[in-house]
Amino acid sequence: NAGVTQTPKFRILKIGQSMTLQCAQDMNHNYMYWYRQDPGMGLKLIYYSVGAGITDKGEVPNGYNVSRSTTEDFPLRLELAAPSQTSVYFCASSQTLRGQLNTEAFFGQGTRLTVV
Amino acid sequence: AQSVTQLDSHVSVSEGTPVLLRCNYSSSYSPSLFWYVQHPNKGLQLLLKYTSAATLVKGINGFEAEFKKSETSFHLTKPSAHMSDAAEYFCVVSDLQLTGGGNKLTFGTGTQLKVEL
Repeated sequence: NAGVTQTPKFRILKIGQSMTLQCAQDMNHNYMYWYRQDPGMGLKLIYYSVGAGITDKGEVPNGYNVSRSTTEDFPLRLELAAPSQTSVYFCASSQTLRGQLNTEAFFGQGTRLTVV
Repeated sequence: AQSVTQLDSHVSVSEGTPVLLRCNYSSSYSPSLFWYVQHPNKGLQLLLKYTSAATLVKGINGFEAEFKKSETSFHLTKPSAHMSDAAEYFCVVSDLQLTGGGNKLTFGTGTQLKVEL
């Protein structure tokens, strides 16, 4: 029962490099999310997706891009990495109907990214 | 706008003693509220959620939380702490909807629970 799977678990990038954080879920959930977690700051929403082909910005989208070509996968792309993007990144998914506020989000184990 | 305040960034208790993690929220609507736990190097796991059915909500591992609308609080409690409870706990409010009809989760800044022998 895999749930939400993120790869890689750890990565060190040099300033200006790019990379893709992978996220896959096997629960057939419609919503998928990317969050970043900074010390003492809680989680902030970067991007989310309502379903395949539909994505939208969250609170902190600058410097990131996403795509959702399938229900299962929701990769997060970092172009021109900057030290400010050093963080722990979490992917999550939920099965949410329109207007439903109480659905649980399922989280992956996170990717710890350091930009030097 | 919705917001969450976790009143303590760190809480330390002795094993076998009660746990109280405090959370206050602000919401323009009737919110749903959650507590998530994060063990070291792990993802977030749902402990419990309030969805307007009962004000006292029971969760996993003996945790419970009480929704008090008059105090805008949703404090997390456990009668007797165990070493395995040591983790970071997040209070989360959901009331505003994302484009497409989904719920927006707003996270508190977290409370680190330490359990000592």
